[in-house]
Amino acid sequence: GQQLNQSPQSMFIQEGEDVSMNCTSSSIFNTWLWYKQEPGEGPVLLIALYKAGELTSNGRLTAQFGITRKDSFLNISASIPSDVGIYFCAGHYNNNDMRFGAGTRLTVKP
Amino acid sequence: GAGVSQSPRYKVAKRGQDVALRCDPISGHVSLFWYQQALGQGPEFLTYFQNEAQLDKSGLPSDRFFAERPEGSVSTLKIQRTQQEDSAVYLCASSLPRTGVSSGNTIYFGEGSWLTVV
Repeated sequence: GQQLNQSPQSMFIQEGEDVSMNCTSSSIFNTWLWYKQEPGEGPVLLIALYKAGELTSNGRLTAQFGITRKDSFLNISASIPSDVGIYFCAGHYNNNDMRFGAGTRLTVKP
Repeated sequence: GAGVSQSPRYKVAKRGQDVALRCDPISGHVSLFWYQQALGQGPEFLTYFQNEAQLDKSGLPSDRFFAERPEGSVSTLKIQRTQQEDSAVYLCASSLPRTGVSSGNTIYFGEGSWLTVV
């Protein structure tokens, strides 16, 4: 089963608002990744983090790899309607097994 | 191809029927992964191939699940005697030659095969 706790489960926000979601784990990961999935599609990689403490931005998205290597957050600034979707965090060990959180479902009202 | 291609996109199977799901990875990608995603959940790891070698099958839920990649390119996930709990989206993903994600490679997902067992 999944070992990542992702919160919140869902968010309903107004266009233009900022969004924050996070993942925690009881295990240490070497890599944290954030994916977005839209209906009927596979997950698409948004940001990858490889070092503890790393802070990385991709446009309006910013993500950080926690110092303890057991957590990560994703922020979306100035949300727009096309940000709608399910956001997944994923953690990676030394093997090729990525573990996913249960997802945060984001709804943006115009 | 331009992306990871999966077929069929949708499959309805009667309980007890065998199904086969196909994955065409991005050309040149050595690593191939299968994930199972139940409704409202994140993807869960099933198995991993490097070329034709199945290096990790620890996520396969039972011996009814079998995956192969005989020529190191196309992969097939077979589910025998399907049960209702097998209903899920089956996602295939591939990545570049260096193994895994820790080396900095991007894993690309296909659109998934939606299996419904009735």
